[in-house]
Amino acid sequence: DGGITQSPKYLFRKEGQNVTLSCEQNLNHDAMYWYRQDPGQGLRLIYYSQIVNDFQKGDIAEGYSVSREKKESFPLTVTSAQKNPTAFYLCASSRILDRGNTEAFFGQGTRLTVV
Amino acid sequence: ELKVEQNPLFLSMQEGKNYTIYCNYSTTSDRLYWYRQDPGKSLESLFVLLSNGAVKQEGRLMASLDTKARLSTLHITAAVHDLSATYFCAVLYNNNDMRFGAGTRLTVKP
Repeated sequence: DGGITQSPKYLFRKEGQNVTLSCEQNLNHDAMYWYRQDPGQGLRLIYYSQIVNDFQKGDIAEGYSVSREKKESFPLTVTSAQKNPTAFYLCASSRILDRGNTEAFFGQGTRLTVV
Repeated sequence: ELKVEQNPLFLSMQEGKNYTIYCNYSTTSDRLYWYRQDPGKSLESLFVLLSNGAVKQEGRLMASLDTKARLSTLHITAAVHDLSATYFCAVLYNNNDMRFGAGTRLTVKP
């Protein structure tokens, strides 16, 4: 089955640690995204990538880093520079078309808590 | 600046009533999406709207798009409790930069 998989589902981090959230898709989608969601809030874009080895900062990129070495994978590292990392993180992917009916698919999310 | 604004942010309805959620966006867009999110869950795709005048319906939900006004609406007909969730609109810019509204938290009461 095609889909987008995030892992782990729950993650606990000590202050000062870097952690990496995994996002893998087998949909052959070109574009991938990382969003952060705080309780009761909307989604805010952290980073997005259109093609392999290329990515762009979103609205709240500070304290985060990404890589896109493979089309299928777009891991997000939450660094110690991110002062308030506790949140729900969602990864998404979409296909780039000139025109046409396309959707962005979301993973099930990773809930990160700083302890 | 790219902005996507939804209103209302909170909506409490009685079962059987109708209501509309609005989504305004600031810049010409390639397409507009509506998603549903249940508490603690990921986002479920509801509609993709591609062109001016597009209207799509699924059950008690109907979405429309007016690209000239940069406005999309999500209309709820005869609400039922199962529709209680948070609804997000999202706008796609430049083919792959997707921005979300703040969400509308809908509660349907008996």
